[in-house]
Amino acid sequence: GAVVSQHPSWVICKSGTSVKIECRSLDFQATTMFWYRQFPKQSLMLMATSNEGSKATYEQGVEKDKFLINHASLTLSTLTVTSAHPEDSSFYICSARTGAQETQYFGPGTRLLVL
Amino acid sequence: AQTVTQSQPEMSVQEAETVTLSCTYDTSESDYYLFWYKQPPSRQMILVIRQEAYKQQNATENRFSVNFQKAAKSFSLKISDSQLGDAAMYFCAYRGRSGSARQLTFGSGTQLTVLP
Repeated sequence: GAVVSQHPSWVICKSGTSVKIECRSLDFQATTMFWYRQFPKQSLMLMATSNEGSKATYEQGVEKDKFLINHASLTLSTLTVTSAHPEDSSFYICSARTGAQETQYFGPGTRLLVL
Repeated sequence: AQTVTQSQPEMSVQEAETVTLSCTYDTSESDYYLFWYKQPPSRQMILVIRQEAYKQQNATENRFSVNFQKAAKSFSLKISDSQLGDAAMYFCAYRGRSGSARQLTFGSGTQLTVLP
């Protein structure tokens, strides 16, 4: 149990285009989902927290207009990187948790390369 | 704010031997959770072990055990009978009980190499 999927697993796009990443909790209802960014050999950096049906809470320094997060259902959250630039290239990881869980479960991550 | 410190950027262990990864944290809360996550080369984050602060007994999961010292705010991970598949980046993480503290705070990670 407690499986989180992400799609796509990797994406290459041209600068200026938008990219959508999906995160799904497959066998539980995720009241809260988290989006992280990770650079090589570094720790996970929290970008935003989203609760189902409400607006995401962004961490300081994360542009909410650039990284659009939607958590419209209890099993799906999406991260859209708008007008992507090469500096947005990174590894993006989602994580999910129910209100009753004390453990967060992580998706397999999405590698984004912006050319 | 809570902080998590992993002072060992890299560690190595011989296959079948035991290794201990260190983690310290800082918090003003009395009730919280501590975790060790493993990130192998695939970069999938995998939960290794979890400890509730109100439990005095150290958590164990097969070959993985922790030494939780609440007063010292220390939470080390011991891996016994190390296997090649244990090679990964290990992250210590803290999670509080309320408000923004319910988010996971990660340490900087320890890269573990297992030598055959």
